[in-house]
Amino acid sequence: SQTIHQWPATLVQPVGSPLSLECTVEGTSNPNLYWYRQAAGRGLQLLFYSVGIGQISSEVPQNLSASRPQDRQFILSSKKLLLSDSGFYLCAWNSGGGTQPQHFGDGTRLSIL
Amino acid sequence: AQTVTQSQPEMSVQEAETVTLSCTYDTSENNYYLFWYKQPPSRQMILVIRQEAYKQQNATENRFSVNFQKAAKSFSLKISDSQLGDTAMYFCAFMKHDNTDKLIFGTGTRLQVFP
Repeated sequence: SQTIHQWPATLVQPVGSPLSLECTVEGTSNPNLYWYRQAAGRGLQLLFYSVGIGQISSEVPQNLSASRPQDRQFILSSKKLLLSDSGFYLCAWNSGGGTQPQHFGDGTRLSIL
Repeated sequence: AQTVTQSQPEMSVQEAETVTLSCTYDTSENNYYLFWYKQPPSRQMILVIRQEAYKQQNATENRFSVNFQKAAKSFSLKISDSQLGDTAMYFCAFMKHDNTDKLIFGTGTRLQVFP
């Protein structure tokens, strides 16, 4: 069966520090991958998605970037974190094809001090 | 562009009763999918139910069912025999049928089930 792993679960970082959140999927190949951010009490905002290795699409202008160095690995990064980057970050995958639901990781709670 | 609207920020229901959560969406697409996700306090996002727009029959999953009205662009979720474990945020989501499979979420409804 397919599983998705996301880490770390919790992260506290100072303003101006770098960021790297990692997400990996097991049990499938060539998944679509997604990064979402959820502000407190709000819905999910799609940040990035990838339909293949090295293919990254950004949905909103921001201080973050994403990379997909391997088929089942998706990384969310920042060179210098801002206070506004605080939030709950969720990684998700699906098998593509336009018919399948997305399945989510457990999320990372990011606090910027 | 597609939009998803959940007009009920909060709902409450007594255990064993039935509750309906509303969702409307706006799209010019004819082929798409709709989903309800549940986010309990643990903050995991859990798929509850899905509906293909081309299917007229409403989807059901045990105690969960939907009322899909394509012409009205409405997609409500009915939870029967509510349980304490149903307490969560519920998000309605839209997916256009293309190769990106991007989800557009509503703002969510917080459901509290009381004993």
